[in-house]
Amino acid sequence: GQQVMQIPQYQHVQEGEDFTTYCNSSTTLSNIQWYKQRPGGHPVFLIQLVKSGEVKKQKRLTFQFGEAKKNSSLHITATQTTDVGTYFCAGPSNTGKLIFGQGTTLQVKP
Amino acid sequence: GAVVSQHPSWVICKSGTSVKIECRSLDFQATTMFWYRQFPKQSLMLMATSNEGSKATYEQGVEKDKFLINHASLTLSTLTVTSAHPEDSSFYICSASQGAPGLAGQETQYFGPGTRLLVL
Repeated sequence: GQQVMQIPQYQHVQEGEDFTTYCNSSTTLSNIQWYKQRPGGHPVFLIQLVKSGEVKKQKRLTFQFGEAKKNSSLHITATQTTDVGTYFCAGPSNTGKLIFGQGTTLQVKP
Repeated sequence: GAVVSQHPSWVICKSGTSVKIECRSLDFQATTMFWYRQFPKQSLMLMATSNEGSKATYEQGVEKDKFLINHASLTLSTLTVTSAHPEDSSFYICSASQGAPGLAGQETQYFGPGTRLLVL
């Protein structure tokens, strides 16, 4: 079946360092969505990318959708302790549901 | 906008009892609602998809007689865990989408705050 894979599973960085998580789908996606879940919290929608090669920025976060629309990345510049959490990518399946990646948990050491 | 509430936020119950969890979209009409379960340090596992006025679609391996879903209106869906056992202890999260049935995965999903269930 359709799969969405994310790497790495965990990432520990020093505050101020950059961070990147990668997302790969086994099939071409019509769009890719990114969510952030803080420890003890629920997923919160960050962004949706639709176009091939699309790049979107939200302050220190840069989201990219691959040309083939099968992969995506989230890059955080100069991490802060407030960036701690688990970042999930998700893509729609052909049956109308959202397939979530395993998530990348980011820890930031102050 | 796009606020989803869930009630209760946590519940502790005895083995064998039933627990009902409510999911409400507060400021929009949710054509589709999703129910997820999340175990510690794991991703969200979709349990079922529900559309207002029709039977829920359950994922493979999810017992529909154990996890009863009712989508009574465009703003309310309920999940009832019947005869709960300790292995049902988990974090249950609902989400709501304005996407049409079958296309909800194309749309943004707005998540409720989740319900932590502990079955003793």
